[in-house]
Amino acid sequence: KAGVTQTPRYLIKTRGQQVTLSCSPISGHRSVSWYQQTPGQGLQFLFEYFSETQRNKGNFPGRFSGRQFSNSRSEMNVSTLELGDSALYLCASSLGATSGRYREQFFGPGTRLTVL
Amino acid sequence: AQSVSQHNHHVILSEAASLELGCNYSYGGTVNLFWYVQYPGQHLQLLLKYFSGDPLVKGIKGFEAEFIKSKFSFNLRKPSVQWSDTAEYFCAVFKGAGTASKLTFGTGTRLQVTL
Repeated sequence: KAGVTQTPRYLIKTRGQQVTLSCSPISGHRSVSWYQQTPGQGLQFLFEYFSETQRNKGNFPGRFSGRQFSNSRSEMNVSTLELGDSALYLCASSLGATSGRYREQFFGPGTRLTVL
Repeated sequence: AQSVSQHNHHVILSEAASLELGCNYSYGGTVNLFWYVQYPGQHLQLLLKYFSGDPLVKGIKGFEAEFIKSKFSFNLRKPSVQWSDTAEYFCAVFKGAGTASKLTFGTGTRLQVTL
């Protein structure tokens, strides 16, 4: 079974621009979560989508948004980029049931975003 | 607020030394616990997990972890590390139900194994 895929793998943008990152979950997984990974903060939860609806959200400004399509693929958008948005953005998929066991998450390789 | 603490930020060990990485979380009740590993240049992989039952959990590559509910801890151990264990290790706790549930990560421990 193919793993979680993320595109693009690397991205360079300038301040003020916007960016869209894409994530394709493992086949059959209905939940997609996004995380921001930085050296100082570790992995910070951005949001989770399940069946095209945002199910949970972390403490990030409204510039960070996402969506999920009917095939469970998800996109994350960051508008008005700031230097501090430079990070590795990780996507994780899970089966999506509310029981903890089925929330086990499988991670993609990430998108490395650099904001200049 | 939920928090997960990993007190060792950077650990340097010689090959064959024993490893113990600490993980503590700040809330009670039912939790699901995970250790993930991120090898250099690779994506995050699940090392082991605890949902219920035997508090001593065995994972891949000879790693194990012990859940001690009274201490809110889930420490990772390995009796003899190898150079290939050089990586960053993250403890994670899943708590809550429905829309209030989420996976919270610790800040990670960078393990460097020297030959």
